[in-house]
Amino acid sequence: EAGVTQFPSHSVIEKGQTVTLRCDPISGHDNLYWYRRVMGKEIKFLLHFVKESKQDESGMPNNRFLAERTGGTYSTLKVQPAELEDSGVYFCASSRSAGTSIGKLFFGSGTQLSVL
Amino acid sequence: RKEVEQDPGPFNVPEGATVAFNCTYSNSASQSFFWYRQDCRKEPKLLMSVYSSGNEDGRFTAQLNRASQYISLLIRDSKLSDSATYLCVVPSGGSYIPTFGRGTSLIVHP
Repeated sequence: EAGVTQFPSHSVIEKGQTVTLRCDPISGHDNLYWYRRVMGKEIKFLLHFVKESKQDESGMPNNRFLAERTGGTYSTLKVQPAELEDSGVYFCASSRSAGTSIGKLFFGSGTQLSVL
Repeated sequence: RKEVEQDPGPFNVPEGATVAFNCTYSNSASQSFFWYRQDCRKEPKLLMSVYSSGNEDGRFTAQLNRASQYISLLIRDSKLSDSATYLCVVPSGGSYIPTFGRGTSLIVHP
């Protein structure tokens, strides 16, 4: 089966610009998560979709971040306007329905975002 | 207290050594626990799941101690290819979000 794919793999933008990251989860995976790793720190949760619904967005840093998952398939994460502290690696992960699959995440290769 | 805390690294061991990492968690209601492996500049990949007292897979053994709220990962007969960062993941909070520890870096040298 195809894995989780993320696009772009790298993005370099200037402060104040807008960037949109995309994630295509594994087909049939209802759960989709966005995480971010800032250099030297742990991987931090941003938000969780179940199908097209946002289940938990408690990790979103502020209202400059907007995530969508139209139709319960792929998801986008938009940062507008980007700030320097938004730099990091943004990972997307998907998993099957809940139960024992909670925590069994399949990750994309991440998007390295650099805000200059 | 952080939800998931791991041993500080790096652990630098020779080939063939046995090495163990610990991870403590704060949510006593957590029922499942996971170890992931992350290679440099790559995404995390699931290594092992732990649901009851422990799990063994070849050279890798994960153990759970609910009373003390920690899980451990033991690697026997270390290989050069085991060099990576090992991440402890515990579903936490009301919605059981998979929560990551900071990771422990392992370096296996010849």
